[in-house]
Amino acid sequence: AQTVTQSQPEMSVQEAETVTLSCTYDTSESNYYLFWYKQPPSRQMILVIRQEAYKQQNATENRFSVNFQKAAKSFSLKISDSQLGDTAMYFCAFHSQGGSEKLVFGKGMKLTVNP
Amino acid sequence: NAGVTQTPKFRVLKTGQSMTLLCAQDMNHEYMYWYRQDPGMGLRLIHYSVGEGTTAKGEVPDGYNVSRLKKQNFLLGLESAAPSQTSVYFCASTSRGNYEQYFGPGTRLTVT
Repeated sequence: AQTVTQSQPEMSVQEAETVTLSCTYDTSESNYYLFWYKQPPSRQMILVIRQEAYKQQNATENRFSVNFQKAAKSFSLKISDSQLGDTAMYFCAFHSQGGSEKLVFGKGMKLTVNP
Repeated sequence: NAGVTQTPKFRVLKTGQSMTLLCAQDMNHEYMYWYRQDPGMGLRLIHYSVGEGTTAKGEVPDGYNVSRLKKQNFLLGLESAAPSQTSVYFCASTSRGNYEQYFGPGTRLTVT
């Protein structure tokens, strides 16, 4: 069974700085998808970024980018120019491409952006 | 286009009472999911459905039942609520082959 680990339960960063959130996963599969979801205090789960395992290029969405290391099974999220609105819980998630139709989530990490 | 909606948003139950949470999506998605979120535990899958009339157990199914009589609706039932079921419940949906899940706003349930 796949597992997703977010080892840092909480981080804080100053506004405008860069922060990296770590995520590791365990799988024997070669084709899969990885996601970062954001959950602000409103509680709504919002997709931040996705990465297909077959793509070597790291995904980027505006200020958000990932460092995907397939051999190391590592999937970190970098947030550049942090904003107060980035304060949220962040969840890393794994989805197998075939077979299982389920997302496997990490336990989450609370990020606080300070003014 | 409302996306994924959940009813109710908040509920307080006494131990032993029953209730049903309703999830509705208007995106014609085949797959629907129910999760619970507890502090420090992330999101854990309760039950899911890959199509109308089909359901399957997730990671923490005990104490819950589900039904998917219509493609757009996925119901989560608690037959006899227990304090351990105090949680925030999320519904999500996705289309076949997409993998990205779209979430509802959540239901905060307290069982006293």
